[in-house]
Amino acid sequence: DIQMTQSPSSVSASVGDRVTITCRASQGISSWLAWYQQKAGKAPKLLIYTASSLQSGVPSRFSGSGSGTDFTLTISSLQPEDFATYYCQQANSFPLTFGGGTKVEIK
Amino acid sequence: QLHLQESGPGLVKPSETLSLTCTVSGGSISSNNFYWGWIRQPPGKGLEWIGSFYYSGNTYYNPSLKSRVTMSVDTSKNQFSLKMSSVTAADTAVYYCANQGSAAAFFDYWGQGILVTISS
Repeated sequence: DIQMTQSPSSVSASVGDRVTITCRASQGISSWLAWYQQKAGKAPKLLIYTASSLQSGVPSRFSGSGSGTDFTLTISSLQPEDFATYYCQQANSFPLTFGGGTKVEIK
Repeated sequence: QLHLQESGPGLVKPSETLSLTCTVSGGSISSNNFYWGWIRQPPGKGLEWIGSFYYSGNTYYNPSLKSRVTMSVDTSKNQFSLKMSSVTAADTAVYYCANQGSAAAFFDYWGQGILVTISS
């Protein structure tokens, strides 16, 4: 199985801050990576797919980059509605696996 | 736009079989070459993929659950189902159904989730 490791596990930030979350795969996954946002009590929401493609309707302050084993999700200017937990997911091979999550909290 | 809704019992006894159904609206399970999947999330923990399938064939299960999981589809009702046998407290989780598009890769549309508690 491909292990997905996210860092940090939590981050405290203020509105307007730039936030970067990293995800590392235990082996190369090309660009088969997605990022999801999950708010408390809600289902995850797809933000980014194939590492850098923005899902329709997702604000442009979200961006993704990387390929191979190292990936990043960047929120260019944090907004109040962005406080949530973020997960990465690899789709290079079965079983599909998720990172452990990064909680973005209010500073 | 696709809408998915999970249904089933919220409480299951240990050693019994968990059975959930996902009802799809806004599109047909058997069209558009879509894959469909199940994911779960224990309370306060991360996401775990359970399995994915294509309505007319290919089915993929998480090896860690494969011996206990069966997924099926009822195209006449536009529903698909999950059965997990011999459940324990470790199977307590919110269970989500989701659509994966044509590549069985990423989860585009999700149901709201259903909490299933395993307890006597």
